[in-house]
Amino acid sequence: QSALTQPRSVSGSPGQSVTISCTGTSSDIGGYDYVSWYQQHPGKAPKLMIYDVSKRPSGVPDRFSGSKSGNTASLTISGLQAEDEADYYCCSYAGSYTWVFGGGTKLTVL
Amino acid sequence: QVQLVESGGGVVQPGGSLRLSCAASGFTFNNYGMHWVRQAPGKGLEWVALIQYDGRDKYYADSVKGRFTISRDNSKNTLYLQMNSLRAEDTAFYYCAKSPSKLGIGWFDSWGQGTLVTVSS
Repeated sequence: QSALTQPRSVSGSPGQSVTISCTGTSSDIGGYDYVSWYQQHPGKAPKLMIYDVSKRPSGVPDRFSGSKSGNTASLTISGLQAEDEADYYCCSYAGSYTWVFGGGTKLTVL
Repeated sequence: QVQLVESGGGVVQPGGSLRLSCAASGFTFNNYGMHWVRQAPGKGLEWVALIQYDGRDKYYADSVKGRFTISRDNSKNTLYLQMNSLRAEDTAFYYCAKSPSKLGIGWFDSWGQGTLVTVSS
């Protein structure tokens, strides 16, 4: 159950797009389409932003999109806004009813 | 709307025990699997345990297996986490999280606000 690999930080200016990568193995990301992404503002609980690799829950802006290729998943945020500044975590089902998270990426909106 | 409210956190000595609770409302509790996820202060998220909708099947992260027990009381719409033999590395915010399915497969669609457990002498 090793953690998925995310960049420690990414940044972008308002209106720009950023992509956060999440690399795992064939036992987690590569083996299942249960990849999800969570946004966490300081002192707050995580919030589901993407599930099933690329689906958005109701209420999540369509500026947020997800994808997967092989053992790597990605979260893209387009049209960056100040309120998008937060920590982002990827998560994958890892089989046998276990889950693994990434280490988290701090998004800074410049 | 879905509401999950954790309680029971606090300071406990190494080797001690603590029981966390998560009161659920706004959905049919006994139709969904439920998870515990933790986050050490300033660190990332770590999945801890899953209990399926009827409480019969339970699964744990290797880091807590044999020490923690997840349970639920569907008559009280409440999820529990019994934590024994606590270690300093168990210090974390503990979140309960709802699954979108009975068996718990998938993702975590709703989260509580978390309760802090501090293991220290």
